[in-house]
Amino acid sequence: EMQLLESGGGLVQPGGSLRLSCVASGLSFSNFAMSWVRQAPGKGLEWVSCISYSGGSTYYADSVKGRLTISRDNSKNTLYLQMNSLRPEDTAVYYCASGGVKARSAYWGQGTLVTVSS
Amino acid sequence: DIVMTQSPDSLAVSLGERATVNCKSSQSVLYSSNNKNYLAWYQQKARQPPKLLIYWASTRESGVPDRFSGSGSGTDFTLTISSLQAEDVAVYYCHQYYSTPFTFGGGTKVEIK
Repeated sequence: EMQLLESGGGLVQPGGSLRLSCVASGLSFSNFAMSWVRQAPGKGLEWVSCISYSGGSTYYADSVKGRLTISRDNSKNTLYLQMNSLRPEDTAVYYCASGGVKARSAYWGQGTLVTVSS
Repeated sequence: DIVMTQSPDSLAVSLGERATVNCKSSQSVLYSSNNKNYLAWYQQKARQPPKLLIYWASTRESGVPDRFSGSGSGTDFTLTISSLQAEDVAVYYCHQYYSTPFTFGGGTKVEIK
């Protein structure tokens, strides 16, 4: 089983930046495509981005394209989400999850809360 | 984008009774090359991350009780809890991972009557 631990969330002003990290353990991280999924307070799940196992392919929701960047470092078993030009509507718990195109998300982290507010 | 529409938004079922959640996709999520539906069901309890219950529309994830089952193909899918237990109180989401942008249904809140 894979364990995932997110970090990097916090309070940021509109227009600001944050970088989220997700460290994986337990299974071979480099064998898995990975995703970020978010959940605004009291709302449903929204897929944000995913990256192939090698990092060679990335995909984004239209709502974040051009502002959020997914990346990974397989040597460090770590997934990242660089978040720039943040907006209040980006406020959410951000979950790191295994999975990608035609690959189910079997493993999820506990999430990290990002709050965008002045 | 593939829109996932779940129904009902909520339902209350007596302990031991059947609960049924429906999910409809705006486009087929059946991949003709392998005849698999890229449709998953997740359970999310309060203040917890989602938990994978079902993938490929009908394959139960390891460790998931057999009272949970999934069915359907193409655009119409169902999650059934055959005998509702107290620990099944949660919000249930369907999710297509056939093509990006991946999308989730709006969620169905299952409660005890």
